[in-house]
Amino acid sequence: GNSVTQMEGPVTLSEEAFLTINCTYTATGYPSLFWYVQYPGEGLQLLLKATKADDKGSNKGFEATYRKETTSFHLEKGSVQVSDSAVYFCALSEDYGGSQGNLIFGKGTKLSVKP
Amino acid sequence: DTAVSQTPKYLVTQMGNDKSIKCEQNLGHDTMYWYKQDSKKFLKIMFSYNNKELIINETVPNRFSPKSPDKAHLNLHINSLELGDSAVYFCASSLLRGHTYEQYFGPGTRLTVT
Repeated sequence: GNSVTQMEGPVTLSEEAFLTINCTYTATGYPSLFWYVQYPGEGLQLLLKATKADDKGSNKGFEATYRKETTSFHLEKGSVQVSDSAVYFCALSEDYGGSQGNLIFGKGTKLSVKP
Repeated sequence: DTAVSQTPKYLVTQMGNDKSIKCEQNLGHDTMYWYKQDSKKFLKIMFSYNNKELIINETVPNRFSPKSPDKAHLNLHINSLELGDSAVYFCASSLLRGHTYEQYFGPGTRLTVT
């Protein structure tokens, strides 16, 4: 079945450091890929998405590229801020007919950014 | 205006009780979902529903049942609550953009079963 694997945290960085959170997936067909962010005590917010191979999703300085050849969707940011501290989830959407787009999530990576 | 709302935000109850969590979306979306987030933050789909079809994750006990009075609401009923039901439950709704369902999540309901 479909699955998402992302690097285990927690990840602790200093402010302005470079961030990479690895995500790989297993899927039949051609899923859409997402990164969601969950700030402490809050729900999930869509951070970015990519719907086909070689697409790059970007938002708030974060970006991720849909790599079909390596089945990856790694999240990157050039310079993190304390306010980026949160849990980040990689997910794929089962977009085949009748699936209704159910999301399959990775286990989440907690990021802590220190001033 | 809140796009996807859930009530209550916190729910503490005893084993064996029956409870409901309400979800409403004002986005005009056709499809709604319930997800469960366990104590390790792992998220798993429980149900998805549009006005035509309910898709149930086969691992969900039949003590859990979604009820949709109309397109804007998908409530979650839980019978005979067990300790293992303690979790955060998220409602979501989605809009089909092209071939992709873009989902928007509610703030979550933290259920504690004692």
